[in-house]
This record gives sequence, C-alpha cells and structure tokens, in this order.
Amino acid sequence: QVTLRESGPALVRPTQTLTLTCTFSGFSLTTSGMCVSWIRQPPGKALEWLALIAWDDDKYYTTSLKTRLTISQDTSKNQVVLTMTNVDPVDTATYYCARAREYSYGHGVDYWGQGTLVTVSS
Amino acid sequence: SYELTQPSSVSVSPGQTARIICSGDVLAKKYVRWFQQKPGQAPVLVIYKDSERPSGIPERFSGSSSGTTVTLTISGAQVEDEADYYCYSATDNNLLFGGGTKLTVL
Repeated sequence: QVTLRESGPALVRPTQTLTLTCTFSGFSLTTSGMCVSWIRQPPGKALEWLALIAWDDDKYYTTSLKTRLTISQDTSKNQVVLTMTNVDPVDTATYYCARAREYSYGHGVDYWGQGTLVTVSS
Repeated sequence: SYELTQPSSVSVSPGQTARIICSGDVLAKKYVRWFQQKPGQAPVLVIYKDSERPSGIPERFSGSSSGTTVTLTISGAQVEDEADYYCYSATDNNLLFGGGTKLTVL
C-alpha cells in the first residue's frame, strides 16, 4: 500500500525559508523509475507542480520558482525534502507530495499525500 | 511554454453524461491523466494514458483523445461525482496541470 505524508510548519514569516518533508511507504526511491514530486494549491485555486526528484537523483523544477526551490532525498528514511527560500504571502497554499513514475512518454503522478496547509504571514 | 486549458465549470443533472475537455498543443504527443478532487481532499487518479481506468474507479469514468484535445466522460453522472477535475500531462522535464473544471451534478 502506497502512502505519503507531508509535514512542516503551518505558519511561516515572509522572507523566511520553508522546509517541508514527505515521508512515504509502499515503494522505494531506489527502484528504477520511481519519483516523488511536490505540488501546491493556493486556497480556491488550481494545482501547480513545483519539483520532482527521481530514483537516480535527477531533479526537475518549475521554471518560475527554480531559483527558490531545492528538492532532496534521504533514501534511508524514505523521505523527500523540499525547501523554498524567501517565502511571500502568495506562497500560501496546501502543499502536496505525490509519487510519480517514469515512463517512456513522461512522468505519471499517481498517489498523493493528504497535503499540509502552509500560511505565509507576518 | 506548454499550457493545458479546461472550462472553469460544467453542470449536469444526475444520470446525464458529463464531458470535460482539456486542450493543449502538448496533447498531440503526450498522454493525459485526469484527477478528481473533492473539497478538503487530495486529488485521486481516475484516468491515465488518455483512456485507462485505475482499479477501483467506476466504469462510468472514461477518457478519449483526438489531436490536441482530450475528453473526460462521466456516463450517468452521480451526485457523488461532483468535484473539481484536473487534467495533467508531462513534457520532458516539466509537469503540467490544467486550470481545473468544477463539475456540478444537481
């Protein structure tokens, strides 16, 4: 059974760095083709892909936030960490981690965590 | 950059067929997935590879593709199908979501 769970602060001050952790089970990031992605959703708005880390440690970022994001993995703990620097109130959102798999035609997201709401406010 | 476009809302009566369209140039060469998201819940995969249905998803959910347009069809929509639906695709190093469609069944 694949499960993912996000954890991190509920409130972050503007200009601070946000660190989120995804703890997963039911699959391994050392398995060929496995990936974990971060996706966010501002209140009442659409889903927005942020970053992806692959089984071979390849990393991909959305262009608009590339300079502020870092994704990393700790395979011994089955965790993926996302850091976002210099946060702003517009970064207020529910942040999801999700499993993805590499296929010949691209990455396919399938299982999602329940999400964690992060509010950026002074 | 690639974009996926969806109508903001679709409304049907229970038992009717609901169709949600997603369009984008990338869809001419990449598969699409559809996610269902109910209020306060995480998205759930309902269609992958344009028309494949994961186990546990009711048969009334189906998908089709034609050129740069893909369609999610819910045949005989139920009240419990009321949700936001997002199309999704992936280019080489980029993952894309559509803007989402709110399906109302009443």
